[in-house]
Order: sequence, then structure tokens, then C-alpha cells
Amino acid sequence: KAGVTQTPRYLIKTRGQQVTLSCSPISGHRSVSWYQQTPGQGLQFLFEYFSETQRNKGNFPGRFSGRQFSNSRSEMNVSTLELGDSALYLCASSLGGTGSSYEQYFGPGTRLTVT
Amino acid sequence: AQTVTQSQPEMSVQEAETVTLSCTYDTSESNYYLFWYKQPPSRQMILVIRQEAYKQQNATENRFSVNFQKAAKSFSLKISDSQLGDTAMYFCAFRTSGSRLTFGEGTQLTVNP
Repeated sequence: KAGVTQTPRYLIKTRGQQVTLSCSPISGHRSVSWYQQTPGQGLQFLFEYFSETQRNKGNFPGRFSGRQFSNSRSEMNVSTLELGDSALYLCASSLGGTGSSYEQYFGPGTRLTVT
Repeated sequence: AQTVTQSQPEMSVQEAETVTLSCTYDTSESNYYLFWYKQPPSRQMILVIRQEAYKQQNATENRFSVNFQKAAKSFSLKISDSQLGDTAMYFCAFRTSGSRLTFGEGTQLTVNP
């Protein structure tokens, strides 16, 4: 079974631009979660999508948004980029039923640099 | 709100020796799950081991085992027979019924030859 894939792997953008990152979960997984990893703040939860609906959201400004498609692939979008948005963005997929102990499997991440 | 604390930013161990990484957490939930993830230089986050809070028996996966002390809210990871490939950042993580993981700050483990 193929693992979680994220595209692109590396991205350089300028302040004020917007960016879209993509995540394809493991086949059969319906939940996709996004995390931001920075040296200063560590790993922080952005949001989770399950069956095309946002099920959970972290404490990030509205510039960060996401969506999930019917094939469970997910995209996250960051508008009006700031220097502080430079980070490794990780996506994780799981089977995703509520109240479950389903494990999350992470993708290799997208390294975003904002200049 | 749940918090996870890893008090050891860096640790080192000699190859073939045993090392223990510490983690404490805070929650008012009674049902939750604890995890240790490993992030090598490739940045790929890999699940090492998990523990369900309702299980009293400590989880074990080959050379990796945990010491889960529910009353003390402690969840340490023991790595036996350390190998060079174990060099990585290790994150302790907590989750309740949803998918949201709360991570600790991480412990950078270096295995020396």
C-alpha cells in the first residue's frame, strides 16, 4: 500500500502571496490532519478533515484554510503569506472513526519558505 | 487543555546500550491514547509505539517499550540495544477520541558508535 504523499516537497514563496499544499492519504483512509512544525512553536495542529467536512480546528488565523475532496485527498491553503509561515507542513491520514485508537500515518512534509 | 512535556531536549547513548526518554502530560480526560513518534533527519514522522490509557499493561514493540504511570501522568520510552539508526528526534504525543495529536517539544537522541 502506498503511504501518504505530499506535494510539493519544497516551496519558496514571497510575503503576501498565497500557497496551496496537497496531501493524498493512504488508500481507504478518510481522515486527513494537518500540522505545522517550526523550531520555535514545535508541532501544532492546524485542522482535520473527515469525509469532506472539517471536524476539528486548531488555533490558527483564518488565513489558513483547507478542504477535502470526495477521494479523501486534501489541500491546505495559506493566503497573504507572512515570514512566520515558513515551516514544515505535515499531513497525516488515518481511518478516522471517532472514539477510535486509529493510528495516524504521516507524509514526508512540505517545506515552505517565505521570503 | 491537554499539555505534553518532554524535559530532556537532548540525550545521547552509546550503541548497544539502553536509554530512557521522559514524557509527562496533563489532562482531565479518562480515555486517551499516548504515542511516541520518531523523526529522523529525513523529517518523516514514524510511529514507534502507542499506549491506550485504559490498558494497564505497558506496550512493547521489539526494542522499544514504555513505562506508563497513569496516576503520575508519566509515559517514558525505553530503547534497548540502541542502534545508530535510532538517532532521531523523538516526540511524545497525546490524543483523546478525535484525531488531534498534541505533541511535546521533542528529545533529540544521538546514538554514538
